[in-house]
Amino acid sequence: DVKVTQSSRYLVKRTGEKVFLECVQDMDHENMFWYRQDPGLGLRLIYFSYDVKMKEKGDIPEGYSVSREKKERFSLILESASTNQTSMYLCASSLIVRRRMNTEAFFGQGTRLTVV
Amino acid sequence: AQKVTQAQTEISVVEKEDVTLDCVYETRDTTYYLFWYKQPPSGELVFLIRRNSFDEQNEISGRYSWNFQKSTSSFNFTITASQVVDSAVYFCALSVTGYGGATNKLIFGTGTLLAVQP
Repeated sequence: DVKVTQSSRYLVKRTGEKVFLECVQDMDHENMFWYRQDPGLGLRLIYFSYDVKMKEKGDIPEGYSVSREKKERFSLILESASTNQTSMYLCASSLIVRRRMNTEAFFGQGTRLTVV
Repeated sequence: AQKVTQAQTEISVVEKEDVTLDCVYETRDTTYYLFWYKQPPSGELVFLIRRNSFDEQNEISGRYSWNFQKSTSSFNFTITASQVVDSAVYFCALSVTGYGGATNKLIFGTGTLLAVQP
């Protein structure tokens, strides 16, 4: 079974703090994603990566950065946390089978971040 | 532009009723994939089905069935004889091919909360 593990289930941070959300997958997937989930807005893509050291902006990258130094690990960084970044953060990974063959993404259990 | 619309925000049914969750998508791509995910109260998204744009056959898996109609850009999900354990948020998603040729960036709808009452 594919396993995507997020380092924390719940986090409470103060405004202005630097926050790291860690995600690890154990199935050698090339793609990794960070989504944010808010009520009424569904899941919105923050950043994604299709290879080590490669990253691409999603729909809402402002205020976030990412790091992918190893294939299995994808970190989301909030440089200076703000209250409007209070949300559920979901990490996902997927396999690249071949060009234009899109496979399903597997999700972690989510990190509920509260910025106070 | 790609977009997924789930117009039903919340649905409440009584156990054993059938229920259909609607999904309408927009894309200019001729090759795309559609997905349904279930998010139970525990929070983790669970993959249910993937369908590519060239396969319009409907699919049935136990009490679940999916109806894909390209003519109306819809990919609806029906649960037959609903059970309390079906209570969850259900997301429809569209996959587009982006960087690297096969990167499947998922675009999600806003989700439908299904509450099945005993």
